[in-house]
Formats: sequence, structure tokens, C-alpha cells
Amino acid sequence: DAGITQSPRYKITETGRQVTLMCHQTWSHSYMFWYRQDLGHGLRLIYYSAAADITDKGEVPDGYVVSRSKTENFPLTLESATRSQTSVYFCASSEGDIRHTFGSGTRLTVV
Amino acid sequence: EDKVVQSPLSLVVHEGDTVTLNCSYEVTNFRSLLWYKQEKKAPTFLFMLTSSGIEKKSGRLSSILDKKELFSILNITATQTGDSAVYLCASLTRGDYKLSFGAGTTVTVRA
Repeated sequence: DAGITQSPRYKITETGRQVTLMCHQTWSHSYMFWYRQDLGHGLRLIYYSAAADITDKGEVPDGYVVSRSKTENFPLTLESATRSQTSVYFCASSEGDIRHTFGSGTRLTVV
Repeated sequence: EDKVVQSPLSLVVHEGDTVTLNCSYEVTNFRSLLWYKQEKKAPTFLFMLTSSGIEKKSGRLSSILDKKELFSILNITATQTGDSAVYLCASLTRGDYKLSFGAGTTVTVRA
């Protein structure tokens, strides 16, 4: 099915563990984004990518790593999870000057 | 630093009331202003406003952008309980096509 899918939907992990959140889109959109959503903050940009092998930092990149070896995939890795990274993570894609379409989100809890 | 501010942060209305949500922005390289609706899952797209003074409508929802005064409003007329949600305003920047979000307005519509 066409769309943007995130996995897993829910994840509980321990402090210090490495965690990877997956994002896959079927539209071949050039741009992909990772946002985190916390109460009172709306959505904040973590990293974005304008094309395969091109990534750049957003507003809150510390503690996160991304890669984009293929246009359709944009995984987000927490290298050593901390409690402050407990959040809902949304992946989005767009073709430049049009609206972002969001995935269903991953609710991550770090204990 | 780009800034998007929404007001009010929350409001409670009764079915049939009209709601006006506000969004002001201070953004370099501004391209467009977007409104999303979020109901405990992924944000869903409502409007994208690029030109000043042109109202966009979809059913009971409408929105307009003022690029001189740097704000936008979202109106919901004849509210229904299904309109209960968080409404997010975001600015889209030229070139990198990132979204900067406001904190959102939580609308609760009581029967």
C-alpha cells in the first residue's frame, strides 16, 4: 500500500540501550523528516533529509543519528537512550513545496 | 530562531459554537503556513496558505493568512464533538522545506 509507515508503534527500552526507529515511504518523496512531540512543545524537528545520502540537523539533534542510503527509508537511531528521549516520534515526507504527510508515530518509553 | 506562537493554548466550547484559533510567526525564509488537526495520532493536513488575504475553505473550516502582520487564523463554525482535537499551526521555510510548529491549541467541544 502506498503511504508512510513507521515501526515499531510502541517501544520500551532501558537507559543506555541503542534503539532504531524505522520509517518507510512509497511515494519516492525527496524530503523526509523526523519530529518528536512532547507535551507543551508541539512537534520539534530532529533531523531531515533532502535526498538519499543528504541529511541535516534540525532543532533538537543531540543524541540521535540518521542515515538515508535509499530514498524510501529514513531510520532514526538513539545511540544511548536517555529518559529525556521518552517521546512520540513522527516521521514525515514531502516533495518540497507541498504539505508534509506524517506516519502514525512511534511511542518510545525509556526506563 | 524561527518562532511560531499559537493562542489560546486550549479552549472548551459547546456544540454549535464558532471557534477562532490564532497563529503568529516570525520566520526567516517563510514560504507557507500550514494547519494540521491531530486526534491522538498523526497530524492530518487541513490547509496550506501561501498568499496573503485569500481565504481557504473546507466545509465548516476556513483559514486566512496575513503576511504583512505575520499571522493566520483558523475558524471552525457550527462546531461538533468530532472537532475536538489539537490544532497545529506550522511555518514552511523555503529551500529546506522544514516545518516549525507552534505548541498547538487543544479544542474540546462539549455536547
